[in-house]
Amino acid sequence: EAQVTQNPRYLITVTGKKLTVTCSQNMNHEYMSWYRQDPGLGLRQIYYSMNVEVTDKGDVPEGYKVSRKEKRNFPLILESPSPNQTSLYFCASRRGLVYEQYFGPGTRLTVT
Amino acid sequence: QQQVKQSPQSLIVQKGGISIINCAYENTAFDYFPWYQQFPGKGPALLIAIRPDVSEKKEGRFTISFNKSAKQFSLHIMDSQPGDSATYFCAASIENTGNQFYFGTGTSLTVIP
Repeated sequence: EAQVTQNPRYLITVTGKKLTVTCSQNMNHEYMSWYRQDPGLGLRQIYYSMNVEVTDKGDVPEGYKVSRKEKRNFPLILESPSPNQTSLYFCASRRGLVYEQYFGPGTRLTVT
Repeated sequence: QQQVKQSPQSLIVQKGGISIINCAYENTAFDYFPWYQQFPGKGPALLIAIRPDVSEKKEGRFTISFNKSAKQFSLHIMDSQPGDSATYFCAASIENTGNQFYFGTGTSLTVIP
């Protein structure tokens, strides 16, 4: 089944403890993105990637890192999480320009 | 600042009625305008999309109307059904320059039986 998977789906952590949220797609898509969803703010793009080793900042990149060492994986790294990073995170992928974007099921992160 | 402004924040419609959600943008370079539907506990899914070379696109009960001069686009859901109850997001991007998307703040639609 063609899909975008994220792990973990739920995570509660403490301020400053480094964490990684994994994202993987099995559709051989070139493009991948990370978004955060907050009430009243909609979805905001954190980082995106257009190919292996090609990443760029989205609208809200502060406090996040990404890497794209393999085509299928696009992990989101929070080196020192803070409470304002408590949010619902979505990974998405698309085959390329003019193709639709497929979203993962989301990761709900709480930072205390 | 919000690149894409969406209204209303919430909408309650009777079954069989028409649901209308509006979005406005400022950047005239945007050339791809998708609408996403999101059910609770799920990721957004593409519903319908339009490019600015047409003023309207229809897929079943869902229609996008696009007004390039006013920099506005809207989603119309005809014959709204309880199963349409979800959150809807409009978005905009510049297709030829990469993978950057700007989303509206979302509209929570409730269709009452």
